[in-house]
Amino acid sequence: AQTVTQSQPEMSVQEAETVTLSCTYDTSENNYYLFWYKQPPSRQMILVIRQEAYKQQNATENRFSVNFQKAAKSFSLKISDSQLGDTAMYFCAFQVGTSYGKLTFGQGTILTVHP
Amino acid sequence: GAGVSQSPSNKVTEKGKDVELRCDPISGHTALYWYRQSLGQGLEFLIYFQGNSAPDKSGLPSDRFSAERTGGSVSTLTIQRTQQEDSAVYLCASSRGVAGGGGTQYFGPGTRLTVL
Repeated sequence: AQTVTQSQPEMSVQEAETVTLSCTYDTSENNYYLFWYKQPPSRQMILVIRQEAYKQQNATENRFSVNFQKAAKSFSLKISDSQLGDTAMYFCAFQVGTSYGKLTFGQGTILTVHP
Repeated sequence: GAGVSQSPSNKVTEKGKDVELRCDPISGHTALYWYRQSLGQGLEFLIYFQGNSAPDKSGLPSDRFSAERTGGSVSTLTIQRTQQEDSAVYLCASSRGVAGGGGTQYFGPGTRLTVL
């Protein structure tokens, strides 16, 4: 079974600054995918970024980037130039690389961006 | 195109009643998932449909929970004899069901169920 751990229940950052959210996972699988999802107060889960475990290059999406350390089973999310709209709950998620597609989620980190 | 839609947005029911929650996936998505989000348990997988294959029901918490997917599209999650611990937000997601996994799951806005 897979487990995902987010050790920071809450984080805060000033607008325009950079913040890093932590995620670690445990698995015996070699082929898998990792995701960061954002859930604002509206409840809508939105994909932020996706990483294939077989790729060494860290994924980036505009202001969002990850630091994927496969050996350490770590998958942190860096948000640069934080904006007020980034305020949300962030979930790290794991998916085994087969057609069995369920996501295993971490507990979530509440991020608040202050003006 | 349109995203994943769910109805109702909110549902309040009395303990012991049955409820049905509906999910309309993105057109063309063959995979459909149900998750439950509660304060105590976080986000939990419930059930997964992929094309015409038998659904993976391994996450259903009890036999009071069931789900079906008609015509490979709309899905209904049914909770019989609701209990207060069933109170949660029920999220539906769909994806293209990419062979080999990794298909991005797109989520609906959820149904907030409150059992009094």
